[in-house]
Parts: sequence; C-alpha cells; structure tokens
Amino acid sequence: DIQMTQSPSTLSASVGDRVTITCRASQSINRGLAWYQQKPGKAPKLLIYKASTLESWVPSRFSGSGSGTEFTLTISSLQPDDFATFYCQQYNSFPYTFGQGTKLDIK
Amino acid sequence: EVQLVESGGGLVQPGRSLRLSCAASGFTFDDYAMFWVRQAPGKGLEWVSGISWNSGRIGYADSVKGRFTISRDNAKNSLYLQMNSLRVEDTALYYCAKDRSAVGPTAILSWGQGTLVTVSS
Repeated sequence: DIQMTQSPSTLSASVGDRVTITCRASQSINRGLAWYQQKPGKAPKLLIYKASTLESWVPSRFSGSGSGTEFTLTISSLQPDDFATFYCQQYNSFPYTFGQGTKLDIK
Repeated sequence: EVQLVESGGGLVQPGRSLRLSCAASGFTFDDYAMFWVRQAPGKGLEWVSGISWNSGRIGYADSVKGRFTISRDNAKNSLYLQMNSLRVEDTALYYCAKDRSAVGPTAILSWGQGTLVTVSS
C-alpha cells in the first residue's frame, strides 16, 4: 500500500503569512493527489484535486503543486477562515490513503 | 443538492457485527464511485473502502480487509458497509462519501455527516 507522509504535523502562523504543507508518497502516484480542509466538528471539504486543480469554491490564495512522490499545498496569504486541519490523499490506486494531517493554528 | 445520509451506527461489543447504510440523493447514484472514510475521536482521516459505479472495482484498507464488505444497490441509491469481527480500534465516525467525477474513482467531493460506531465491552 502507498504511504502518505505529511509535514509538518502542526503549523503555527499569523494572518497574512505564506505557508506550505508538504506531502510525500512512498511510491509514484503521478498526479493522483487531493487536498482536503477540515474544521472541528465538520466533514472535510475538497480543496484541490489532480495535485493542482482548485475546486470552484476555493480562493486563489490556495495552490497545489507536484507530481510523482512529492507534493505541496501553499496558502499565499493566510486569512482567519483558513485555520483548520489539512489532509492529503492519494487516489492513484486502491487502497486510497490519507496523510496524517497538518493542523494549522494561529500563532 | 447532493445528500448522503448514514445510518446504522451504535454501540457494539468486540467481535460482533454491524451494517452501515448510506442513502444518497440529489445526483445520479449509479454514475459515481462511492467510499467509506472513518475518523476515530481526535484522530485523522482513514480511508476504509471504495466501490466503483458498477461494483466492478472494490478496495479496502489493510486494517479492515477480510472483516468489512462494501456493497451498493443502485436501484435503491444506497451504499452499505458490512462490518464483522469488530475491534475496539474500529471505533470512529464513519463517513459515506461520493466521488468527484463520474469517470472515477478519483477524489472525494461530497461527504455525509457521519454515523458513530463505538466498539466496547
């Protein structure tokens, strides 16, 4: 099975900061990678699929990049609504797998 | 509007069985792959199982393989998860989820609110 490793596990940042979260796959997943945002008590929401394609509701300050085994999620200028937990997920092959999550909190 | 409504969760003893159901509406159910994803209290997301639109492709996480069975009834717009030989570590909120694309399985676009399964003696 493909293992997904996210870093960091926790990230403290301020409004206006630029932040980057990294996700590494244990083998190539081409561009079969999605990013989700989850807020406490809520179901996750799809942010990005195919490594870099934003869902329609996602602000342009979010971006995704990468292919193969290394991927990044970048938020160019943090807004108050962005503080949440972020997960990567590979969907290149069954069984799909999630990263362990990155909790983004306010510094 | 897509709606996914899970049911069937509850308190069950270790070793027993439980069947989760998911009633889907607001989209053409038999066009999309479907998934079960779980989240233990205070923990991250774990992909449990997935099934293609015609049940021709099915996958399971290693942690549940041989114990859980996913199925769907396209005539009833319903997804199921039969869970046998339950363990304490299966305790989690179980989400029913829908594929983003009709040519999937791909990423997960829509999620239900979840049904809580608690395995305890």
